[in-house]
Amino acid sequence: EPEVTQTPSHQVTQMGQEVILRCVPISNHLYFYWYRQILGQKVEFLVSFYNNEISEKSEIFDDQFSVERPDGSNFTLKIRSTKLEDSAMYFCASNVQGTSGNTIYFGEGSWLTVV
Amino acid sequence: GESVGLHLPTLSVQEGDNSIINCAYSNSASDYFIWYKQESGKGPQFIIDIRSNMDKRQGQRVTVLLNKTVKHLSLQIAATQPGDSAVYFCAELGGTSYGKLTFGQGTILTVHP
Repeated sequence: EPEVTQTPSHQVTQMGQEVILRCVPISNHLYFYWYRQILGQKVEFLVSFYNNEISEKSEIFDDQFSVERPDGSNFTLKIRSTKLEDSAMYFCASNVQGTSGNTIYFGEGSWLTVV
Repeated sequence: GESVGLHLPTLSVQEGDNSIINCAYSNSASDYFIWYKQESGKGPQFIIDIRSNMDKRQGQRVTVLLNKTVKHLSLQIAATQPGDSAVYFCAELGGTSYGKLTFGQGTILTVHP
């Protein structure tokens, strides 16, 4: 069964450092997303991406965050200068179309620890 | 503000029992709902979905019921197994949001052998 893959599975970084989280969405999917989950809390939407541009973003997704699809398969989330409160599990997700009824599939997550 | 929430944070059942997990939503514009299962350290795993033009949808051992009048969603798991132990989230998608799911807080389901 096709799946969304993410790397790294766990990253520890110093506060102020840049991190890049990588994702390979399901190959025929066109819409890509990043979500995050702080430990013990619910999953929160960060950003949606379609046709090489951001479709929608949440208040969390400030100027420190950026997304990119550098080639035909990877979808990345960059945090320019990490803060302690960025420590969370980051999930990449994708679906064929962005509209209702099109199942959104999630990756296993990248656990980011900022120290 | 608009939100999706759960009535019960934890549910403990015996193996073989049926489980019912509930969810309330407040966005009347929501037209698509999904139940996800999340095991420790893993990503949300799709279980079943339902559109707002339906009241009920059945899968393998799972049934989702949607009551739009009271904005309530439930997930029923038949013959619950220890492998069903996980956190269950409901999520909703508004009509114009492209993949912007709003998740509930989650219910911890524990199945005792």
